[in-house]
Amino acid sequence: DAGVTQSPTHLIKTRGQQVTLRCSPKSGHDTVSWYQQALGQGPQFIFQYYEEEERQRGNFPDRFSGHQFPNYSSELNVNALLLGDSALYLCASSSDRGGYGYTFGSGTRLTVV
Amino acid sequence: KQEVTQIPAALSVPEGENLVLNCSFTDSAIYNLQWFRQDPGKGLTSLLLIQSSQREQTSGRLNASLDKSSGRSTLYIAASQPGDSATYLCAVPGGSYIPTFGRGTSLIVHP
Repeated sequence: DAGVTQSPTHLIKTRGQQVTLRCSPKSGHDTVSWYQQALGQGPQFIFQYYEEEERQRGNFPDRFSGHQFPNYSSELNVNALLLGDSALYLCASSSDRGGYGYTFGSGTRLTVV
Repeated sequence: KQEVTQIPAALSVPEGENLVLNCSFTDSAIYNLQWFRQDPGKGLTSLLLIQSSQREQTSGRLNASLDKSSGRSTLYIAASQPGDSATYLCAVPGGSYIPTFGRGTSLIVHP
């Protein structure tokens, strides 16, 4: 049973560019959440998708947007990249509003230069 | 808004010691709490999930307790090993069911 799959593993982008990160949830999960983790910090919640709609959003600017597809996979898009967007981006999947816990992927390391 | 604090921030111990990692949270109206392990630059691996109706959960050398009324959870690691070296994070859902994380406890177990 595949867990949460994220791609790509690593990414280097130039300031001002746009980036798309992808996530496939664990089999049986219908909800995808995205987190940003800066070095030495705990993960910070970006947003959560359920039934192809954004259900909750954290304190992140509109440059961060997402999408969920009918097969429950999800994308995170970041426009007009800033140096401060450099971080590990984590995707987590769940079901039943997380009543059975969250499963995380291995993350995408984004470096903005 | 849920706020999560983890103490200590860092811990360095010799192999074989029994360890206690603490997690406190401000909103006690939670339905579960989850402990994770994170190796450097990697994703999060779930260790234990405690439902609000439970007082503790055990998996091998790990035991997590939950006291909702006092807003605290504790992760016990018995007979620590160098392979236990990692950052340990607790995640607590807030009113919107979204997990909020602490900053973690960075653990080093040296031989």
